[in-house]
Amino acid sequence: AQSVTQLDSQVPVFEEAPVELRCNYSSSVSVYLFWYVQYPNQGLQLLLKYLSGSTLVESINGFEAEFNKSQTSFHLRKPSVHISDTAEYFCAVARNYQLIWGAGTKLIIKP
Amino acid sequence: DTGVSQDPRHKITKRGQNVTFRCDPISEHNRLYWYRQTLGQGPEFLTYFQNEAQLEKSRLLSDRFSAERPKGSFSTLEIQRTEQGDSAMYLCASSSPDRVDTGELFFGEGSRLTVL
Repeated sequence: AQSVTQLDSQVPVFEEAPVELRCNYSSSVSVYLFWYVQYPNQGLQLLLKYLSGSTLVESINGFEAEFNKSQTSFHLRKPSVHISDTAEYFCAVARNYQLIWGAGTKLIIKP
Repeated sequence: DTGVSQDPRHKITKRGQNVTFRCDPISEHNRLYWYRQTLGQGPEFLTYFQNEAQLEKSRLLSDRFSAERPKGSFSTLEIQRTEQGDSAMYLCASSSPDRVDTGELFFGEGSRLTVL
C-alpha cells in the first residue's frame, strides 16, 4: 500500500533563510507526486507536481522539489523564505483516482 | 472559472442534528471528491463521483453519511445524527478529465463542522 510520511509537523525558520520540508513515500509502482499548500483560512492549492521527466520540478513562487526514486523522497526546498510563505504544506502521492496524503508540515517564518 | 465553492463555510450544530454541505465544482470538471480533514492530519478520502455516479466510498463513511451528485454538477454531503467525532473540515475537490490520471485536484475552501 502506498503511504506518505512528512517527518516534521512544524518547521520554524528565519525570514530569508533556506528551508527544506521533507517527504518520503512508499510505493512499489510508478508514482505521481504533489506538494499542496494551505495558506491560513484558505483551501488547498497545488504548489508543484512530479509526473515524469525531469526529477527537479519548480513552482512559480520559488519552491522546488526533487524526485529521488532511490530514496523514495520528494523533499520541498526554497533558498530564501518570505513571511508570505507561512502556510501548511502537504505532500501527496496519486493512487489511481485519488491522493494519499501526508500529515502536513507547518512552515513558521520568524521575523 | 470561479473555482470550487463550498457552502456553508462554518456550521455549528448540536449532537444528534443533521447537517448538509454543498459543493459546486469547476463547471467542466467531471470528477468530484469529498475529503475530511482534522487538526494535524492530512485530508482523508471519503468518496468520489464521476459525473453523477458515486464510484467509491471510504470505510470512513459510515451509514450516517450520504453524498449525492444528482445531475453531475453540484454535490451534497449529508451527515445524520451528528456526533462530536464528526467535527472536522469537510473538503470538496474536483478534477478535469485530462488530469484525472495524474491526481491533480482543485479544492474548495472547506466547510468546518463543529458538533457541540
